[in-house]
Amino acid sequence: DAGVIQSPRHEVTEMGQEVTLRCKPISGHNSLFWYRQTMMRGLELLIYFNNNVPIDDSGMPEDRFSAKMPNASFSTLKIQPSEPRDSAVYFCASSLGGQLLSQETQYFGPGTRLLVL
Amino acid sequence: GENVEQHPSTLSVQEGDSAVIKCTYSDSASNYFPWYKQELGKGPQLIIDIRSNVGEKKDQRIAVTLNKTAKHFSLHITETQPEDSAVYFCAAPMDSNYQLIWGAGTKLIIKP
Repeated sequence: DAGVIQSPRHEVTEMGQEVTLRCKPISGHNSLFWYRQTMMRGLELLIYFNNNVPIDDSGMPEDRFSAKMPNASFSTLKIQPSEPRDSAVYFCASSLGGQLLSQETQYFGPGTRLLVL
Repeated sequence: GENVEQHPSTLSVQEGDSAVIKCTYSDSASNYFPWYKQELGKGPQLIIDIRSNVGEKKDQRIAVTLNKTAKHFSLHITETQPEDSAVYFCAAPMDSNYQLIWGAGTKLIIKP
């Protein structure tokens, strides 16, 4: 398996522009996580999907952030409009999605490094 | 809720020496403690984990120890090698059943 795939790997955009990050989880995994990583705040969980349904989006910073998972093999994280403080590395991770979810291995993608000017 | 503290933030050791990274957690009900390694430009990757029914687990040069009474767990790397240079994260489950609370990370530098 190719692992979790994310695109783009790098994104540079100007403040106010829309940014869309993409993720393809590992085939057969039912849970998908979006994280944001910064030096100041470390790894933050933004949103979690189980069987394509958003279960908890309490980590999404504000209404400018939205995430979708239209099918089991694709998810997007959108920022509109983007701001300089959104600059970070965004990771997608997937796991099998069993009952003891917090004890499952999470497989991370390579991340998208976002810079908002 | 769960809180995880990780120390030190940076650790520099001579190649061949041992490295120890410690994490403390607050929720006594936590029962699963993974360690992830993040190499430059990559996402974190699980390297070892421990469940609360054991006190130690080893996998070649890495080991994790757990002290449930004191609520802390540690990562031990022996005979360090250049490829061990990375950022290491500990984590513990939040009471939500799906969310992990992550430590702040330790940057391990192996000096040649």
